Amino acid sequence: DAGVTQTPRHEVAEKGQTIILKCEPVSGHNDLFWYRQTKIQGLELLSYFRSKSLMEDGGAFKDRFKAEMLNSSFSTLKIQPTEPKDSAVYLCASSGTATEVFFGKGTRLTVV
Amino acid sequence: QQQVRQSPQSLTVWEGETAILNCSYENSAFDYFPWYQQFPGEGPALLISILSVSDKKEDGRFTIFFNKREKKLSLHIADSQPGDSATYFCAASGNTGNYKYVFGAGTRLKVIA
Repeated sequence: DAGVTQTPRHEVAEKGQTIILKCEPVSGHNDLFWYRQTKIQGLELLSYFRSKSLMEDGGAFKDRFKAEMLNSSFSTLKIQPTEPKDSAVYLCASSGTATEVFFGKGTRLTVV
Repeated sequence: QQQVRQSPQSLTVWEGETAILNCSYENSAFDYFPWYQQFPGEGPALLISILSVSDKKEDGRFTIFFNKREKKLSLHIADSQPGDSATYFCAASGNTGNYKYVFGAGTRLKVIA
């Protein structure tokens, strides 16, 4: 039974580039979350989908961050353009009805 | 605005001791509190959780104590093992079944053999 799969595991981007992070949630889960994790800020919610509909887009992250869920089994997070301050671990998570939230292993992004 | 606070930021205990991790929150509407454990290079994984109608939840060596009046909870790890060395996150949500959590900043636990 596959968990949440995130690709790539590591990404290095130059300032100003566009990067796309990918996530495959647990099969059958209706809720999907994107979080950013840093040592200073901890876990910050970027986007929240329920049944493919965007429920929350993370407020302060709206301008350069865009999450999409084209189908129930695949989501992307686009950062455009990247800035050095975007260097962090990006976590995708999913949950089903009355189940816990499962996290992927994350994508470590470094912007130089 | 930090709605969920954790202390200490880091904690070191000897093997066999009880580690105590603290968490407090501000929003009275929070009623579900999961604790997540994260090892380096991995995503957080659910460890144990409690509903606000309970004041205690046990699962093996892990126990949550909850004080609704003071808006505080704590995670006790009895007989700590080196394998428990990880970062622990306290989270909260305002509606059971709504998994949009607010996370604390985490406590990094180190257990020395």
